Amino acid sequence: EVQLVESGGGLVQPGGSLRLSCAASGFTFTNSWMSWVRQAPGKGLEWVANIKQDETEKYYVDSVRGRFTVSRDNAKKSLYLHMNGLRVEDTAVYYCVRDLSQQVGAFDVWGQGTMVTISS
Amino acid sequence: IVMTQSPATLSVSPGERATLSCRASQRVSTNVAWYQQKPGQAPRLLIYGASTRATAIPARFSGSGSGTEFTLTISSLQSEDFAVYYCQHYNRWPLFNFGPGTKVEIK
Repeated sequence: EVQLVESGGGLVQPGGSLRLSCAASGFTFTNSWMSWVRQAPGKGLEWVANIKQDETEKYYVDSVRGRFTVSRDNAKKSLYLHMNGLRVEDTAVYYCVRDLSQQVGAFDVWGQGTMVTISS
Repeated sequence: IVMTQSPATLSVSPGERATLSCRASQRVSTNVAWYQQKPGQAPRLLIYGASTRATAIPARFSGSGSGTEFTLTISSLQSEDFAVYYCQHYNRWPLFNFGPGTKVEIK
């Protein structure tokens, strides 16, 4: 079964840090671009960051660039999101997602999400 | 590129046809996907390439359009189809934008 399982969410004070993890199974992880997509409570979807199979390319939405870092460990079939300088507006469910292909930037596999709450 | 969706809420009776619209602020060819999200669940990919159904998606879901205007049609609404639907463009891959969503509710 193709599966993505996120972990690492929680409650953090503004300015704090957090690392999200995503464990992949059921597909060849090294073949896939991977992304993080977030959803603030009651709001829509926002793409956050993505990473190429070999980590040579990484891209970020403007609002997190310089604060968040996406990485992966292909040997562990894992994706990570390192979040620093967290703000109240970063509060959201964070989804780990698989890019359908390099030619098609749709997201065909989603994790269940992990909740990140930024509050004092 | 900004994606807009209309209407914000669509009230439909079971068995009726639902037509959801998505508009891009610039031409995006057919680089558009549609997702369904039910409360408390992760989104699910329905359509990519504007009109190609994703794996295991029922034939009652269809997509059309190119350029700036796109449509998701649900031919005969089933109870499990009441959800929020998002469009997304990937014309500037690897950067992406989603629309604000259309909620399909029971009339």
